Amino acid sequence: AQSVTQLGSHVSVSEGALVLLRCNYSSSVPPYLFWYVQYPNQGLQLLLKYTSAATLVKGINGFEAEFKKSETSFHLTKPSAHMSDAAEYFCAVRRGSTLGRLYFGRGTQLTVWP
Amino acid sequence: DVKVTQSSRYLVKRTGEKVFLECVQDMDHENMFWYRQDPGLGLRLIYFSYDVKMKEKGDIPEGYSVSREKKERFSLILESASTNQTSMYLCASTSPQIGYGYTFGSGTRLTVV
Repeated sequence: AQSVTQLGSHVSVSEGALVLLRCNYSSSVPPYLFWYVQYPNQGLQLLLKYTSAATLVKGINGFEAEFKKSETSFHLTKPSAHMSDAAEYFCAVRRGSTLGRLYFGRGTQLTVWP
Repeated sequence: DVKVTQSSRYLVKRTGEKVFLECVQDMDHENMFWYRQDPGLGLRLIYFSYDVKMKEKGDIPEGYSVSREKKERFSLILESASTNQTSMYLCASTSPQIGYGYTFGSGTRLTVV
């Protein structure tokens, strides 16, 4: 069963525009939610994580995400895109007691135009 | 900072070879994972381990095995490499103490010819 759905495999924005990357999850228990970024030929780097403390989570590089339980969403946003934000972004969820395993979405490639 | 080190960034092997991919982490994490990443398919879990000598199959374990003799090292073994195992392989580690956020290695891009 799909645990994480990322809407849009490719997103393009102009430099300075709002970035919105969508993530919806399915979980029968309160989830732990994560966003990761991957630059070309590198491993994944943690951007931010939700662990039930605050619904609005701030991460690195100006990104933030809001946990909305009613919508089962955890969308990633940045007010103003920079060329250096071009990368692939992955949403992930940990469901209950799964020995720490994360379930990843298929990723969204972000392109930033000058 | 936690470091997860994968022994090779790029590897080229021949069909039928036995291939070892090594991963070492330096922060005493209990859980370690091996994923493969392919375009359009995202990250798929091959195997994971939550303790020394313990292993669990992930979603695509066929053709692979793993070894965890020491807490810091988690090895992925391709018993007889095939061209459909050409991929990017990513190792990660985590711990309950850090809320299970993964730390990833830089990846090994394996080409089987």
